[in-house]
Amino acid sequence: EIVLTQSPATLSLSPGERATLSCRASQSVSSYLAWYQQKPGQAPRLLIYDASNRATGIPARFSGSGSGTDFTLTISSLEPEDFAVYYCQQRSSGVTFGPGTKVDIK
Amino acid sequence: EVQLVESGGGLVQPGRSLRLSCAASGFTFDDYAMHWVRQAPGKGLEWVSGISWNSGSIGYADSVKGRFTISRDNAKNSLYLQMNSLRAEDTALYYCAKDLFLEWRSPGAVDYWGQGTLVTVSS
Repeated sequence: EIVLTQSPATLSLSPGERATLSCRASQSVSSYLAWYQQKPGQAPRLLIYDASNRATGIPARFSGSGSGTDFTLTISSLEPEDFAVYYCQQRSSGVTFGPGTKVDIK
Repeated sequence: EVQLVESGGGLVQPGRSLRLSCAASGFTFDDYAMHWVRQAPGKGLEWVSGISWNSGSIGYADSVKGRFTISRDNAKNSLYLQMNSLRAEDTALYYCAKDLFLEWRSPGAVDYWGQGTLVTVSS
């Protein structure tokens, strides 16, 4: 099973700051990596698929990069509504999620 | 508007069975793969199972393989999850989810989620 590791576990930032979230796979997942945002009491929301493709309706401040084993989700300037938990997911071999990164307000 | 409505959750004793259903609307159901994803209280997301558009390809998480069975009825726009030999660790909110594409693996992702149905396994 491919294991995904996300870092940091928690990221404390202020609105307007840049957020950089990391996801590392235990073996190559090619570009088959997605990012999701989840707020308390809500279902997850797709942000990025296939490493760098922004999903429909997702603001341009969200971007994804990487391939192989190392991936990054960048939020260029945090808006108040961006404070949430972010999960990466691979679907290269089976499907697995990372443990999540919580982005909270500093 | 895409809608995914799960049902069938509830309280069940360890070792018993439960069948979850998901009614889909607002899109052409048989053009997309579908998934079940669960989330234990206060925990992260765990993929449970996926099924391709025509049921030709199916996958399961190791934690449920041999106990859970995913199926779909394209004529009824419905997705199902038969859960047997339930354990306490299966307690979670179970989401029905739609894929971007025909297949549940490799390119793509889940683009729509239901609101979930809660399964509690306890004596």
